Amino acid sequence: GAGVSQSPRYKVAKRGQDVALRCDPISGHVSLFWYQQALGQGPEFLTYFQNEAQLDKSGLPSDRFFAERPEGSVSTLKIQRTQQEDSAVYLCASSLDSDARSYEQYFGPGTRLTVT
Amino acid sequence: GDSVTQMEGPVTLSEEAFLTINCTYTATGYPSLFWYVQYPGEGLQLLLKATKADDKGSNKGFEATYRKETTSFHLEKGSVQVSDSAVYFCALLPTGRRALTFGSGTRLQVQP
Repeated sequence: GAGVSQSPRYKVAKRGQDVALRCDPISGHVSLFWYQQALGQGPEFLTYFQNEAQLDKSGLPSDRFFAERPEGSVSTLKIQRTQQEDSAVYLCASSLDSDARSYEQYFGPGTRLTVT
Repeated sequence: GDSVTQMEGPVTLSEEAFLTINCTYTATGYPSLFWYVQYPGEGLQLLLKATKADDKGSNKGFEATYRKETTSFHLEKGSVQVSDSAVYFCALLPTGRRALTFGSGTRLQVQP
């Protein structure tokens, strides 16, 4: 079955490099979410899209973080000038949103980013 | 702000033992409450949920009851199996918002 997919699964970046993380949501899902999960912690919300509109970016930790979903499907999370504290697993989730029962968020496997 | 507190792990049990993982929350209004599970090498999966006070969510033998008076949503299972070994996350969805707030997770290890 086609779940949420993310690429790459692992990324090693040198401090100061820019990275781009991709999320392919479940086909037809309206909403898309990005979360950051530090080692040994629970996921923390970064940003949320409804179709192509970014409705909430209150969790983005700095202006080095930027997310887009230009056609309302695939999304990219970009981190500029990576720092060691950016090392984490970045999770993407999507939800269908057709009715109240379909607001469940389906998560992808995550991208593990290590900044050296 | 909204927050979720879970008991620290790891929790180590023998097969067929009774499981309780405590979860308490702080939130305004009437949030929805969730338990997610993360099996080794896999993504987060929704295990169960409850959307209002006194609701009981259940799935795969796991249960949790939304207790507004104690702001709790403890996860229970009567008889755990080795295959239940995973990390369990309690989470809440504040009223009117779409962003989940997670606890820090509790690792469960079930020994045969």
